[in-house]
Amino acid sequence: GNSVTQMEGPVTLSEEAFLTINCTYTATGYPSLFWYVQYPGEGLQLLLKATKADDKGSNKGFEATYRKETTSFHLEKGSVQVSDSAVYFCALSFPLSGTYKYIFGTGTRLKVLA
Amino acid sequence: DSGVTQTPKHLITATGQRVTLRCSPRSGDLSVYWYQQSLDQGLQFLIQYYNGEERAKGNILERFSAQQFPDLHSELNLSSLELGDSALYFCASSVERNTGELFFGEGSRLTVL
Repeated sequence: GNSVTQMEGPVTLSEEAFLTINCTYTATGYPSLFWYVQYPGEGLQLLLKATKADDKGSNKGFEATYRKETTSFHLEKGSVQVSDSAVYFCALSFPLSGTYKYIFGTGTRLKVLA
Repeated sequence: DSGVTQTPKHLITATGQRVTLRCSPRSGDLSVYWYQQSLDQGLQFLIQYYNGEERAKGNILERFSAQQFPDLHSELNLSSLELGDSALYFCASSVERNTGELFFGEGSRLTVL
């Protein structure tokens, strides 16, 4: 079946460090891929998305590329800030029975230290 | 602001009680999803409604039920509450087109004492 696996946290980095959060997926067909971010005390917000192979999603300095050959969608940012401290969820969606089904990873907590 | 509204934001109640959580989706979104997020755990999918009809069911307990009304708002009913039901309950809506991305509300935090 379809699934999403992302690296366990917490990930602790110093400000301005490079960030990578790994995400791999298993899916039949061609799912859409997403990264959602959850700041403390808030709901999930869409950070970026990619809908087909080799697409690169980007937002707020974060990037992720849809790699079909490695079934991956790793999240990267060149220089993290304290304000990036949050939980990051990788997710995929695919059409099923006339609607969309979503699969979320378990989330990776990022803590950025000043 | 995602456009998805959830009430109440916080709720404290006792074991054995029943509560109702309410969700108003974004204008034009026909699909509503409910998720449970317990402490240090990921999102558990509970149930989905599309235009008033149940579309998919996840790990929803028999003590829980939901419905979507003609105006598309949805309610999640939790009964015979147990301590372990304490969690954040999120509602999300989707336009069900193109990529079908989800838009989440800010959640309802339920504490069962």
